[in-house]
Amino acid sequence: IAGITQAPTSQILAAGRRMTLRCTQDMRHNAMYWYRQDLGLGLRLIHYSNTAGTTGKGEVPDGYSVSRANTDDFPLTLASAVPSQTSVYFCASSDEGLAGHTGELFFGEGSRLTVL
Amino acid sequence: GQNIDQPTEMTATEGAIVQINCTYQTSGFNGLFWYQQHAGEAPTFLSYNVLDGLEEKGRFSSFLSRSKGYSYLLLKELQMKDSASYLCAVSDSNYQLIWGAGTKLIIKP
Repeated sequence: IAGITQAPTSQILAAGRRMTLRCTQDMRHNAMYWYRQDLGLGLRLIHYSNTAGTTGKGEVPDGYSVSRANTDDFPLTLASAVPSQTSVYFCASSDEGLAGHTGELFFGEGSRLTVL
Repeated sequence: GQNIDQPTEMTATEGAIVQINCTYQTSGFNGLFWYQQHAGEAPTFLSYNVLDGLEEKGRFSSFLSRSKGYSYLLLKELQMKDSASYLCAVSDSNYQLIWGAGTKLIIKP
């Protein structure tokens, strides 16, 4: 089934540990995004990539890093997790990048991360 | 600052009509999106408005007034499966999406 796959689905992590959330899409979309969703707040953009080989910072990038070595994969890394990074993380993709973004986003099922 | 406002929660009856409002204040405007998100699931696209007026798509319609910074999502013939959160998002002058916190819609039999 075409779409976006995220892993892990859920994870409990000790503070200070390193964690990588994986995201793979098979729709050949140019643009990919990482959002976090917290209760009572709208989705907040962490990092984005308009095309393979390029990345950019979103609204809340601190403590996170990304890479885009190819079209399909867009992993998100927490170098040293802190409790405030407890959240649900969504990876998304679209045909267009931020410049000229008028198309819909396709979301993965989310990764629920708890940092203790 | 940029801001998207929508009601936190609404309740409606199965078979009825409900209107979910969204007001926005953003630096520039390149379109407004509505997404549906069932509990524990990913958001899914419902509609996109960039010009003023009403866009109808089956039981769902979305309206936009750019001069008023206002949109609404109209759901007709409500079904129990419509119980979900509805997210409003605006594409600003940099084409970055600004998201509202979402409206949780509860459908009662």
